[in-house]
This record gives sequence, C-alpha cells and structure tokens, in this order.
Amino acid sequence: DGGITQSPKYLFRKEGQNVTLSCEQNLNHDAMYWYRQDPGQGLRLIYYSQIVNDFQKGDIAEGYSVSREKKESFPLTVTSAQKNPTAFYLCASMTGRNTEAFFGQGTRLTVV
Amino acid sequence: EDQVTQSPEALRLQEGESSSLNCSYTVSGLRGLFWYRQDPGKGPEFLFTLYSAGEEKEKERLKATLTKKESFLHITAPKPEDSATYLCAAQYNNNDMRFGAGTRLTVKP
Repeated sequence: DGGITQSPKYLFRKEGQNVTLSCEQNLNHDAMYWYRQDPGQGLRLIYYSQIVNDFQKGDIAEGYSVSREKKESFPLTVTSAQKNPTAFYLCASMTGRNTEAFFGQGTRLTVV
Repeated sequence: EDQVTQSPEALRLQEGESSSLNCSYTVSGLRGLFWYRQDPGKGPEFLFTLYSAGEEKEKERLKATLTKKESFLHITAPKPEDSATYLCAAQYNNNDMRFGAGTRLTVKP
C-alpha cells in the first residue's frame, strides 16, 4: 500500500542527546514537510523540502536538522541544542500538483 | 510572515445542530487552502483543497467554501463521530504550508 511511514511511534531521549526521527514515503512525492505539534496547539513548520538535496527552514528550525538524500526519505534530527523537544512530530508529503498532503501517524518524543 | 487564523478555538454542538468553522489567511501568494481532520494522537486526515474564491467542496456532512480572504467549513447535522480537531492550512508560492491552531469540535448526542 502507498503511504507515509514515521518511526518510531514513541521515542524517549535523555537530555543532551541527539535523536533522529524517520519519515519514509512510497508515494513518489517531491515535497516533504516536518511539523511539531504541542498539546492543544496547531502544527508549526520545522523544515520542508521540495526536491532531493534541497530543503528550507520553517518557523522553528533552530535545534533541528534534516537531510534529503533520497526522494523517499526525509529524516529529522532533534539535536541537543533544541531546549524543549518534548512534542508530537508529524511528517507529510505532497503531490506534485499540490492537491493534498498526506501525513504520517506521528512520533511522540519525550525528554527524560 | 504568512498567517492562518482559525475560530472558534473550541465548539460544542448538540447532535444535529449545524454550524460553521472559520479560517482566515494571508491572501498574497496563496496557492491552495486545505482542511484536515485530526483525531487525538493521530496524524491529520485530508478533507478538502480549495484554490480560488467561490469554490466549494462537499463530503458527507461537511462543506468547505473559499472567499477572497477566508474559508469556512460548514457542518450540517453533525453526529458524535464528527468530534475532532479541524485544521486549516494555507500553501503559498514558496511551497511552504502553514497551519492554523485548529478548532476543537465536540458533538454531544
């Protein structure tokens, strides 16, 4: 089945550690996005990528890094520089005609 | 900075009581206006995309409309299973997609 897969579903990080969240899609979409969602709030854009080997910062990119080496994959690294990383992270990909964006089921990151 | 604002923040309806949710957006450079439904702990589920003023789309009890500066999601005769957070997002010419904070809808039987 075509879709977008995020892993892991739950992730625990110790303070000072970097962690990487996986996002894979088999929809052949060019554009991919990472969002952060805090309780009771909307989605805030972290990074997005329109094509392989290219990405742009969103509103809250500080403390995060991404790569786009393959069309199917857009991993997000939460670095130790991100002071408040506990949140729900959502990845999305969009059709070339920009008709709709498909979301993964999210990764809930908790700092312990 | 492009802005997307949704109202109300929360809405409680009785089953069968129709209402509308509002989404206002920065007009300049808009490529598309999206509506999503999100259930707790899940990723958003796509509902509609609107591209130009005057456009309308329907799906079951939901109808989305777009004017020159805002969009409405009309819910007709809602049922308890329509309870969710409804998110609005605007995509601009640089391809970034920005979301509003959402409207949390509760439908009581």
